[in-house]
Amino acid sequence: AQSVTQLGSHVSVSEGALVLLRCNYSSSVPPYLFWYVQYPNQGLQLLLKYTSAATLVKGINGFEAEFKKSETSFHLTKPSAHMSDAAEYFCAAPIPLAYSGAGSYQLTFGKGTKLSVIP
Amino acid sequence: KAGVTQTPRYLIKTRGQQVTLSCSPISGHRSVSWYQQTPGQGLQFLFEYFSETQRNKGNFPGRFSGRQFSNSRSEMNVSTLELGDSALYLCASSGTGLENYGYTFGSGTRLTVV
Repeated sequence: AQSVTQLGSHVSVSEGALVLLRCNYSSSVPPYLFWYVQYPNQGLQLLLKYTSAATLVKGINGFEAEFKKSETSFHLTKPSAHMSDAAEYFCAAPIPLAYSGAGSYQLTFGKGTKLSVIP
Repeated sequence: KAGVTQTPRYLIKTRGQQVTLSCSPISGHRSVSWYQQTPGQGLQFLFEYFSETQRNKGNFPGRFSGRQFSNSRSEMNVSTLELGDSALYLCASSGTGLENYGYTFGSGTRLTVV
């Protein structure tokens, strides 16, 4: 079963416009959620992480995400898009590996959302 | 502190050959995971090593294997390469326990099989 679902494989916004990338998670995942960004031909970089401390999480590059348990959502937002934000964004959650003993998790990713920023 | 280092960055191999990729995790991280990324399939989990033991394995054929050394460095090997193995292979390291969880990725190895 999919643990995280990203709605929209491709999102286009104008420079200066609001960025909203959607992620919904399965209620069975532990309350730890992540957003990563990937620039062309590079690895994934952690944008922000939710660890139950606060529902609104601020990350790097002006991004933030709000954990909404009632909606099982963890959408990523940025008030004003910049050209340098063009990249692919991945939502992720750790799923426990019961057969590997306590404390074992595997990070599972959504299929990614490619963000284009139009000048 | 130094990040996750993957070598080589680019590799071109011929069908039928084998290849070994290397990953050095962040100092102190004992968990190393490997992912394959392709345009069609996205990020797919290959395997995870923790303290030299494979703790979890994804749904890949036996041609894909790995190991981890006592210094936590990890290698993955693909034997009898197929065209479909062309992909970006990503390594990630992590601390232990959920409170320390959060993968740090390397820049990846781009493998092209011709």
